[in-house]
Amino acid sequence: GAVVSQHPSRVICKSGTSVKIECRSLDFQATTMFWYRQFPKQSLMLMATSNEGSKATYEQGVEKDKFLINHASLTLSTLTVTSAHPEDSSFYICSASDQGQGNYGYTFGSGTRLTVV
Amino acid sequence: GNSVTQMEGPVTLSEEAFLTINCTYTATGYPSLFWYVQYPGEGLQLLLKATKADDKGSNKGFEATYRKETTSFHLEKGSVQVSDSAVYFCALTDTGRRALTFGSGTRLQVQP
Repeated sequence: GAVVSQHPSRVICKSGTSVKIECRSLDFQATTMFWYRQFPKQSLMLMATSNEGSKATYEQGVEKDKFLINHASLTLSTLTVTSAHPEDSSFYICSASDQGQGNYGYTFGSGTRLTVV
Repeated sequence: GNSVTQMEGPVTLSEEAFLTINCTYTATGYPSLFWYVQYPGEGLQLLLKATKADDKGSNKGFEATYRKETTSFHLEKGSVQVSDSAVYFCALTDTGRRALTFGSGTRLQVQP
């Protein structure tokens, strides 16, 4: 079945540095990718939707200059957390959609736990 | 806007017990409803789905029925196993919005 690889699974960085998270669809072309953030004991909150070759659409309240999303190919999307601060510490999960799965085929990566110290 | 409410966990059961995890939703259009499962250290996996009222989704012994009149999609399993221990997320997509709206997740712990 469809597989999405997300890396790294865990990252610890210092305040003020930037961190890049990669999300790759391994055996299908992902026309749309979604980035979610999950706080402890809370829902997955959608951050942004990215379509290959176009700018990402950010949800209200998500700073697009802080959370840079690039979807340069049909198999790769990246989320870069710029100038990270401790409040950015969270669990980030990507999801990829192949329209061929009837619009209901969402495959998730295993997530990235970011800790900013 | 859309929202999903599911029961808080953790839910702790003995093996072979009956499981119910409640899920209710609010949506503006005609949502499709999903249950996802996340095993430790893994990504979310689709467990089952239902796309219209009165549909029943089922997989691996789990079932959920789309109840429009009560805006619910409760997850049930007749006899849980230790291997079912995981976090379960109820979710929906709505007309014109492809991204999923998730509930807060319910951790299930099954003891032998």
